Order: sequence, then C-alpha cells, then structure tokens
Amino acid sequence: RKEVEQDPGPFNVPEGATVAFNCTYSNSASQSFFWYRQDCRKEPKLLMSVYSSGNEDGRFTAQLNRASQYISLLIRDSKLSDSATYLCVSGNQFYFGTGTSLTVIP
Amino acid sequence: DAGVIQSPRHEVTEMGQEVTLRCKPISGHNSLFWYRQTMMRGLELLIYFNNNVPIDDSGMPEDRFSAKMPNASFSTLKIQPSEPRDSAVYFCASSHGVSNQPQHFGDGTRLSIL
Repeated sequence: RKEVEQDPGPFNVPEGATVAFNCTYSNSASQSFFWYRQDCRKEPKLLMSVYSSGNEDGRFTAQLNRASQYISLLIRDSKLSDSATYLCVSGNQFYFGTGTSLTVIP
Repeated sequence: DAGVIQSPRHEVTEMGQEVTLRCKPISGHNSLFWYRQTMMRGLELLIYFNNNVPIDDSGMPEDRFSAKMPNASFSTLKIQPSEPRDSAVYFCASSHGVSNQPQHFGDGTRLSIL
C-alpha cells in the first residue's frame, strides 16, 4: 500500500546549494502533512508541519499542492549538517514515504 | 520535558523466544503508534491506539505480534515466537489526538533475532 511516495535519491549537492524534494500522496482527503528528518541509526524527528498551502522556517520551505497532490520541501543554502534522510507523512494516514536521502558535500 | 521512552534500546535473542518491547508515551498525549523500520520496507505502521484503545491493527504482520496499552502511560509490543525476519528497528511514537497532529518518536529498539 503506497499512500505516500518519495524519490529515494540519493541527492548529492554541494554546500550552499538549493535542493528540493517532492512527496506525492494518493488520498485527496488528507488535510495535513509533516516532514521528518532522520539521521543514520536515529529516530525520525519532526522538521516541518504543513496544514495549508505552505510553511517556512528559516532555510526550509514546505509547500502543498492539492491540485497535483504533492508536497515539497525546499532547502536553501545547504549545510553539511543537513545530510540526512527526509521523510514525509500524511497527518491522518500515518503512512510514511520511504524517505529521500540527502548528502551535502563540502 | 521527557520524550517518548522505549526499552530496551537493543535486544538480541534466538528465534523462537518471546520478545517484549516497551513504550512510555509523552505525558498528556492520547495517541500511541508502533512502527517497524527496515531497509527493504521503510517505516511501517503496525498498530495505533487512541485513549488506550487499539484503533487500527491492520499493519500487524501476523498473529505472532500483539500489542497492548493497559493505561495512558504504558504500551507493549510482543512477538511470540520470534523469527529472524522480525529483525528491525521498532519505534514507538505518540501525539496529541489521532489526526493531523505531529508524532514524536522514541529512540527505538534495535531487535536482532538470530
């Protein structure tokens, strides 16, 4: 059952670059979405919540496109510390995407 | 504030043995989720509770798996008998309410069945 799908990557980008990930969802009734960050051998940690069209927090911007049923995560000015796996999930479905791997290269 | 607390952090046991994983949700959260994560299948929802009542256990792989939540501050996930294919990281998460609320994860239990 694939309620949420992500491009697994990996995305390898240089420091300072802007990178964007997309997450598509199948249930048009989904009202909220969340982006989580997961470091190797650690638990997922909440990065951003998306309840309406979008949300911005510093270098991170999440946008929701209901017409096309996808959410995106944009990271500006990538840092080495942004290297992680990024997971999206629908707020009322609890099915996580498989995650997108990001490596920021010096 | 204490987060979600899981125990044990690591468990190594032989196949056929009973395994019990434990979880203490964040105080005040009334929803609790059990997930399993493997490289092949990613993060899979096994079961979730709301106000201590199991709401959806359709993700529980087999009858060998069972979960309980006897009170608002404790839940267990039991595997009996365990098999090597059960080896994975098991996460517990909790949230305020069931829908449209972010979940907060525990550190996970790394389970290896030999």
